[in-house]
Amino acid sequence: SQQGEEDPQALSIQEGENATMNCSYKTSINNLQWYRQNSGRGLVHLILIRSNEREKHSGRLRVTLDTSKKSSSLLITASRAADTASYFCATDRSNDYKLSFGAGTTVTVRA
Amino acid sequence: DGGITQSPKYLFRKEGQNVTLSCEQNLNHDAMYWYRQDPGQGLRLIYYSQIVNDFQKGDIAEGYSVSREKKESFPLTVTSAQKNPTAFYLCATEGGERSDTQYFGPGTRLTVL
Repeated sequence: SQQGEEDPQALSIQEGENATMNCSYKTSINNLQWYRQNSGRGLVHLILIRSNEREKHSGRLRVTLDTSKKSSSLLITASRAADTASYFCATDRSNDYKLSFGAGTTVTVRA
Repeated sequence: DGGITQSPKYLFRKEGQNVTLSCEQNLNHDAMYWYRQDPGQGLRLIYYSQIVNDFQKGDIAEGYSVSREKKESFPLTVTSAQKNPTAFYLCATEGGERSDTQYFGPGTRLTVL
C-alpha cells in the first residue's frame, strides 16, 4: 500500500536553480527516506531522516520532516543536469519493517 | 547498484508462460525484497525475506512465487496466474551497518507478448 504521496508529480527547472519537492504520509513512522531513480535504472538511496529529527543535510540536499503535519520536503540546491531523475520518498512504518514508496516526483533540469 | 545483480535486463515472454527473474547479492545482507514498478508509479512490494528459508507476502503477491534457499539469492517467478505481468521488477537488499536503508539492483524489464 502506498503511504507516501509526492508533490508535484513533475518539475522542470533551469540549471543552477533550486528544486523542492514534498512528501505527505498517513501513519506514524520510524523514519522517512528519499531515493533517486534515473530512467530505467534501480533506486539509489539519498538520505534518511528519523522521526525525532527535523532537518538533515547531505551535500546539496536538504531534507525536513514535520511529524505533526506528516510531511517532508527535499530541497536540491544549485541543480545540475545530472540531477534529472525521479525522486521517491519512502516511509518505514512504525509497526512493521517494510518501506512504502510514493509515486515520485520527476525532475528535469534544463541546461 | 553495486553488489546486487539482476538478470536478464530485458525479458520477453509469451502469455501463459512462467518466467523466473534472478536476483543475486554479495553484500551479505539478510533481508531481500522484490518490487514491481509500473509507468509513472511508485514501487509496490511483491514478496520479502528477512532470513534464509523464510519469506512473506507483500502487498501484491498474487501470481508470483519466490524461494530463499541461499542468503545470496532470491529468485522471483512470475506465473501465468499474474494478470498483468508486464512491468519493471526491482530487487533490493537491506542489512549491514545501515540496516534501515535498502540497496537496489538495476532491475529487469519484463514484457509479455
